[in-house]
Amino acid sequence: QSVLTQPPSASGTPGQRVTISCSGGRSNIGTSIVNWYQQFPGTAPKLLIYNNNQRPSGVPDRFSGSKSGTSASLAISGLQSEDEADYYCATWDDNLNGLFGTGTKVTVL
Amino acid sequence: EVQLVQSGAEVKKPGESLKISCKGSGYRFTSYWIGWVRQMPGKGLEWMGIIYPGDSDIRYSPSFQGQVTISADKSTSTAYLQWSSLKASDTAKYYCARRVGVAGYYYFDYWGQGTLVTVSS
Repeated sequence: QSVLTQPPSASGTPGQRVTISCSGGRSNIGTSIVNWYQQFPGTAPKLLIYNNNQRPSGVPDRFSGSKSGTSASLAISGLQSEDEADYYCATWDDNLNGLFGTGTKVTVL
Repeated sequence: EVQLVQSGAEVKKPGESLKISCKGSGYRFTSYWIGWVRQMPGKGLEWMGIIYPGDSDIRYSPSFQGQVTISADKSTSTAYLQWSSLKASDTAKYYCARRVGVAGYYYFDYWGQGTLVTVSS
């Protein structure tokens, strides 16, 4: 059972802004960076946000990340149909063990 | 171009052993950690462990310590994940991924395509 809690689902209509939260603790998010991964059914996860708020080359700027204290958020502005996927936050604990969030399924209505 | 190519799907019986692979190319394999991630059917991602092929330094998640063995072969740029005695609960898709970053600012930038392991009698 993951120690990083995300809402199971989130949804919005095209063009809307959707936010996904990721709640952790002092020994993980509180002392480390947060990354976000996007996963489509049957495919490998893809890096979406790294080091809290950095976008890899090729990731649209409608995706943004932030971190405050022991929580982090992923925002999708101008939601598009192709954004329908599962999203996972990830961080490292004090022993540098990796941790993934519980995952959030984003649906475009 | 960086690529991680994993071995194909496996169907095994409980109690059997298995070793799956992840071959890296397009970069210096010995200079980057490779992690393994489990995804059980319909479930989320779970971090299993990580290996530095340069010196075979390995870190296991407490949840997977003793349950699997991670290894690497520098000569073939391949990382491995193995089980000595599979259980039905090992049925899952397993991903390898390259870890980059420094001083705690780590993330997985490239992922393998995944290996589906099915354990059934």
